[in-house]
Amino acid sequence: EAQVTQNPRYLITVTGKKLTVTCSQNMNHEYMSWYRQDPGLGLRQIYYSMNVEVTDKGDVPEGYKVSRKEKRNFPLILESPSPNQTSLYFCATRQYNTGELFFGEGSRLTVL
Amino acid sequence: DQQVKQNSPSLSVQEGRISILNCDYTNSMFDYFLWYKKYPAEGPTFLISISSIKDKNEDGRFTVFLNKSAKHLSLHIVPSQPGDSAVYFCAADSNYKLTFGKGTLLTVNP
Repeated sequence: EAQVTQNPRYLITVTGKKLTVTCSQNMNHEYMSWYRQDPGLGLRQIYYSMNVEVTDKGDVPEGYKVSRKEKRNFPLILESPSPNQTSLYFCATRQYNTGELFFGEGSRLTVL
Repeated sequence: DQQVKQNSPSLSVQEGRISILNCDYTNSMFDYFLWYKKYPAEGPTFLISISSIKDKNEDGRFTVFLNKSAKHLSLHIVPSQPGDSAVYFCAADSNYKLTFGKGTLLTVNP
């Protein structure tokens, strides 16, 4: 079964405590991306990766890092989380010959 | 600057009637458009798409229309069902970068 798996699904943390949200896909897709969803703002792209070792900033990259050391994994790193990073985060993958993005189930992050 | 706009935050229709969700875009480089549906506590799921070389694409109860000159697309759901109640996101693609609208909450009343 095609899957995009995110962990953790829910997390409450405190300002400044580094955290990583993992994303793993089993579809062998080259393209992976992170989005955040906020009320009234829709889905905004944080970072994306066209292939292994290739990453680029999306629309709202500040305060985030990513890495793409292998095709199936694309972790999102918050080095020093702040309350304005409280959000619902989605990882997504895509194959180049179609436009369709496959999304994970989301990770709800609260930074106190 | 918002490149993909969904001007209606919410829409309410009766079961069996037509639902029409609208989306406007400003970037003429967009060449592929998609609609996603999102239920609470789930990730968005792909619904239907259309290439810029077409003006209509149909899949069952869902039809997407594209008017390139007006930079406007719409999603028609006929007939609407209560299970269609969800947030619908319009997305536009340029060079493999998808830009999403803010979403429209559709409520289909029994």
